[in-house]
This record gives sequence, structure tokens and C-alpha cells, in this order.
Amino acid sequence: QVQLQESGPGLVKPSQTLSLTCTVSGASISSRGYYWSWIRQHPGKGLEWIGYIYYSGTTDYNASLKSRIAMSLDTSKNQFSLKLSSVTAADTAKYYCATEDCSGNSCYFDHWGQGTLVTVSS
Amino acid sequence: EIVLTQSPGTLSLSPGERASLSCRASQTVSSSYLGWYQQKPGQAPRLLIYGASSRATGIPDRFSGSGSGTDFTLSISRLEPEDFAVYYCQQTGTSPKTFGQGTKVEI
Repeated sequence: QVQLQESGPGLVKPSQTLSLTCTVSGASISSRGYYWSWIRQHPGKGLEWIGYIYYSGTTDYNASLKSRIAMSLDTSKNQFSLKLSSVTAADTAKYYCATEDCSGNSCYFDHWGQGTLVTVSS
Repeated sequence: EIVLTQSPGTLSLSPGERASLSCRASQTVSSSYLGWYQQKPGQAPRLLIYGASSRATGIPDRFSGSGSGTDFTLSISRLEPEDFAVYYCQQTGTSPKTFGQGTKVEI
């Protein structure tokens, strides 16, 4: 059973960098077919895809955030990470890590972390 | 960007009734890349349907998905108390991957 767990600061100051890590168990982040993804949800709002990183290091980011995003893999710890720079109050949200499974002829987010609330405030 | 518009915004029903949720895309979405998710308060979304009509593991058969092109539907044949939640459609075929704004199914 694949499980994901987000970790990182719950409070970030404006203009600083938000850094989150997702620890994966039950699967290897070196597996083909899984895209290691980040999705966020603003308070009381819908879901926004942030981007993914593949086992090869290939990334795809939402263009609306692309200039501020960096994702990385740590295969030794079976973790992947998100950095979002120059944050503002508009980046206050619950951040989820998730697996996008494209191993068949469909793609879908089948495993999610519980999410971590990040508040941007001075 | 493909915009997914869900309707209605809120659906008020009783246990045992049938629910029909709509998802309309601004451009054609391959059925392979259309999914439905359920989210309850304080919880992460849960995959219900992938490939427009395939139920995810462990999802009861009262949930069904249909549609193609730009129009997709999630149906719940007989609402159980645990089905009252927010439902999102999502497309993963074109970047950026996008979600609908959600339909709340309430009692």
C-alpha cells in the first residue's frame, strides 16, 4: 500500500521560500509510471495542480507558478520535494503530495498525502 | 488551459436518491484522462473514477462514470449517508492538469 506524508514549516514569511517534502512508503520513487506530484487547495476552495517530477528528473510545472517552482528527488530517502519562492498571502493553502499513476492507458491521482497547511504571514 | 465546469454547484438530495453530476470541458478531453474524486471535510481527495468510467479499487458500484469529448457525468445510484461530500472532476491529458470547481452533494 502506497503511503505519502508531507512535512515542512506551517508558517512562511512573505517573500521567503516555501519548502515541503513528501516521504513515500510502499513504492519506490525510482519506479517508472508514477509521476510524483504536488497539488494545493486554497482555504475553502478547489484544487490546483502545481506540477510533477518523474523518476528521471523530468518535470512539468503549472505555467502560472513555473517561474517560482523547483521540484527534486532524493532517492536515498525515497522522498521528493517542492520549493516555491517569493511567496505571498495568495500561496496560503493546504499542500498535498500525490502519485499520478500513468502505468496503464490512463492517468489518475490514486494516492494522496493527508496534506499540510502552509500559511504565509509575517 | 482546459477549463472544467461542474454543475450544479450544490445538489441537495436525500439518502436513497440518485445523484447526477455534470462536468463540461472547454476543449475535448480524451476519456482516458478524465477522473472523478470525492473529498470530505478535512480529508484528502479520494479517487472514485478514472478513464471516465472505470471504478477505482474499493469503490462501490453505486458510483458510475460516463461521457466523452467535452461532456462527462458522475452518477450515484442510491445515496448513502457517507456519500455527502464535494466531488471534483479532473483532466490529466493536457498540461496544466486541471480540476473542476467542485459539486457539493448535501442533505
